[in-house]
Amino acid sequence: DVKVTQSSRYLVKRTGEKVFLECVQDMDHENMFWYRQDPGLGLRLIYFSYDVKMKEKGDIPEGYSVSREKKERFSLILESASTNQTSMYLCATLGGLAANEQFFGPGTRLTVL
Amino acid sequence: AQSVTQPDIHITVSEGASLELRCNYSYGATPYLFWYVQSPGQGLQLLLKYFSGDTLVQGIKGFEAEFKRSQSSFNLRKPSVHWSDAVEYFCAVGALNNAGNMLTFGGGTRLMVKP
Repeated sequence: DVKVTQSSRYLVKRTGEKVFLECVQDMDHENMFWYRQDPGLGLRLIYFSYDVKMKEKGDIPEGYSVSREKKERFSLILESASTNQTSMYLCATLGGLAANEQFFGPGTRLTVL
Repeated sequence: AQSVTQPDIHITVSEGASLELRCNYSYGATPYLFWYVQSPGQGLQLLLKYFSGDTLVQGIKGFEAEFKRSQSSFNLRKPSVHWSDAVEYFCAVGALNNAGNMLTFGGGTRLMVKP
């Protein structure tokens, strides 16, 4: 089974703090994704990476950056957290037959006070 | 760019009744279509997917979905709902680019099941 883990299930930070969300996968998948999930809006893509040190912006990259130093790890960084970044953050990898299925981690619920 | 609409934010059905969750998409080519389910506080789990071939696809947990190109729809159905089906459902359309299958999600439909 594909396993995608996220470093924290719940996180509370203060406005202006630098926040790191970590995602680790154990299936040697090349493609990894970060989404944020908000009620009524579904999942929106923040950033994705298709190889080590390679990254591309998704639909809502403002206020975020990412790091992919190793294939199994994809980090989302909030340089200066703001209250409008309070959300559920989901990491995913791409794999399966024909590499057409995304596998999701359990999510990190981030609250910025 | 592709988009997905799930018209129903909430749906309530009685246990044992049939279920249909609506999904409409917009995409210029033949779409890849997915239904995911999310339990509270959990990530998303794939229920089923359509890539090509038979337009009626079977998924896990007794779910099925039918791709109707003329209606740009991919509705999810289940003949008899169980209380454990009371979670949130997301429809997604996929498009291939250099990162593989990029997904665009609908806003989700939360299912409530009455005893």
